[in-house]
Amino acid sequence: ILNVEQSPQSLHVQEGDSTNFTCSFPSSNFYALHWYRWETAKSPEALFVMTLNGDEKKKGRISATLNTKEGYSYLYIKGSQPEDSATYLCAHRAGKSTFGDGTTLTVKP
Amino acid sequence: GAGVSQSPSNKVTEKGKDVELRCDPISGHTALYWYRQSLGQGLEFLIYFQGNSAPDKSGLPSDRFSAERTGGSVSTLTIQRTQQEDSAVYLCASSSASGRLGDTQYFGPGTRLTVL
Repeated sequence: ILNVEQSPQSLHVQEGDSTNFTCSFPSSNFYALHWYRWETAKSPEALFVMTLNGDEKKKGRISATLNTKEGYSYLYIKGSQPEDSATYLCAHRAGKSTFGDGTTLTVKP
Repeated sequence: GAGVSQSPSNKVTEKGKDVELRCDPISGHTALYWYRQSLGQGLEFLIYFQGNSAPDKSGLPSDRFSAERTGGSVSTLTIQRTQQEDSAVYLCASSSASGRLGDTQYFGPGTRLTVL
């Protein structure tokens, strides 16, 4: 992996479903991995910053894990709600930040 | 407290004109970033300022783009001889950085630039 890649590009789920998506990044020269949530017509907002291999972070129904050795992070949303609909961005930090293209989540009521 | 602010919020200009976009970072934040999001695209890094160090300009798409940061605070992104492909939302972010690479970036509301 040379760049930051996120999958899937988009996801449609029903309210109450749990979901997860992936951020892959270069495993060499790792400093930090950030997750942001970007709602339409708003600015990206920080969810998590993760710096250590094995890090797990949680905020309400959203959690994230980090594997720096293999170069991936997972973001999980438990019991999705319509207000979770947004684009979720990850950014690999090595000096400047390199953002993935995001996963756009749509939660249908 | 006050967050990152950007002005103008919207800018419509004619092809060939110069534009200036302004960013006021959070007070005390030493790092400042410019990004843009073109229609249907992800977030594209443009330039990064860290304290008094030389800025990282590696993301600027052409020599029509330049940015400066005066007094370590306010930053101006200038686009000369605008082209239609410059139309995008330009986002500014700041972080406290201070050498700790894990610092979170705080984004401004963006400037939507439309080049006719």
